[in-house]
Parts: sequence; structure tokens; C-alpha cells
Amino acid sequence: NAGVMQNPRHLVRRRGQEARLRCSPMKGHSHVYWYRQLPEEGLKFMVYLQKENIIDESGMPKERFSAEFPKEGPSILRIQQVVRGDSAAYFCASSPAYDTEAFFGQGTRLTVV
Amino acid sequence: TQLLEQSPQFLSIQEGENLTVYCNSSSVFSSLQWYRQEPGEGPVLLVTVVTGGEVKKLKRLTFQFGDARKDSSLHITAAQPGDTGLYLCAGEGSGTYKYIFGTGTRLKVLA
Repeated sequence: NAGVMQNPRHLVRRRGQEARLRCSPMKGHSHVYWYRQLPEEGLKFMVYLQKENIIDESGMPKERFSAEFPKEGPSILRIQQVVRGDSAAYFCASSPAYDTEAFFGQGTRLTVV
Repeated sequence: TQLLEQSPQFLSIQEGENLTVYCNSSSVFSSLQWYRQEPGEGPVLLVTVVTGGEVKKLKRLTFQFGDARKDSSLHITAAQPGDTGLYLCAGEGSGTYKYIFGTGTRLKVLA
């Protein structure tokens, strides 16, 4: 049973471009959480999704950021018109239910130049 | 707003020494987790504590959840270089699925 798969592992974007981060949850997991980790800091909750639904996006910046978890395929975190401050590690976690242990992927490290 | 403060922020010790990392909050958490994160990797769950006053042992690691479920500690006995990493506590608020992560303790164990 493969773990949570995130790709790409590293992503470099120029200011103003779009970044698309993918997360394939563990088999049987229908709950996905995205977190952001700035250098030398802990993880900050961004959004919680179930298949085809956004349950809680209270941690998402109001503009430029969006997330989806379609019926088929991975969850996508999309950042439009990236700025240098978006540079961070973005982690996805998945769980089979909302009140069970979540497992983290290895993260995508976004660098905006 | 629920916050988790960890101390110390940084810790550098010699192999064989003991250490304790603290995780404190003014809020009550229904459960608290400890993770270790190595450079370039995602956090890996070490333990979950649920009951106030609970103590869990994982080989040389001892985890304690405060009686009031507002704080926790991680004690490592006879630290080894393999223990090096970022230790994060994360609390699940009452009735919520969102994990609030602490600020982290960066541990370095020197051989």
C-alpha cells in the first residue's frame, strides 16, 4: 500500500506564473488535508477536502489559492500568479475518515524566483 | 485561536545525553500528537496521546499528556545521532479535525 504521493517534489516558478501541486492519497482514503510550512516554522493548516467537496478552507489565502479533490484523480492545490512569499513546503495528508490518523506525504517544495 | 508553543526551539546535545521537549498551550486539546520530521521529508507520526495524564513509551522516547490536556512533553533517554530532526507537536481541538502544529524543536545529536 503506497503512502501519500505528492508531485512534483520540487517546483520552481517565476513570479506571476501558476503552480499546480498534486496529492494522491493513500488507497481507501477519501479525506485530504493541505498544510504549508515556511522555513524554520511548523505546519499551518490550509484546507480540508473530501471527494468533490471542500469541507474547510479557513486556512487558505483569500486570493490566488484554490484546491480541489475530484471524483477521479489526485487532489490539486493551485496557486495563481505566484509571489516570492509563496515559497514554502506544501504538505498533503490523507485519512480514511475525519477523526482518524492522517498520514503525510513528502511534500512539494515550491521556490518562486 | 489555539496555539501550541514548543520549547526549546533549538537543542544541540552530545550522544548519550537525556533531553526533554515541551509543548504548551492555554487551550484544551482532545488529543495531541508528536511527529518527527527529517530534512526534505514529511512529518512522521510518533505517538498520539488522548487521555489527560497519559504516559506512553516508545523505546527511548517517553511521551506525557498533561492532566488538563493543555500540555505535553517528550523525553528522550540516551540520545543518538539518529534522533536528530525536527520534533513537532500537533493538537486536535475539541470537535475539530484540524491539527494545530507547534512551532517545532530542532534537535541535533552530536556523535
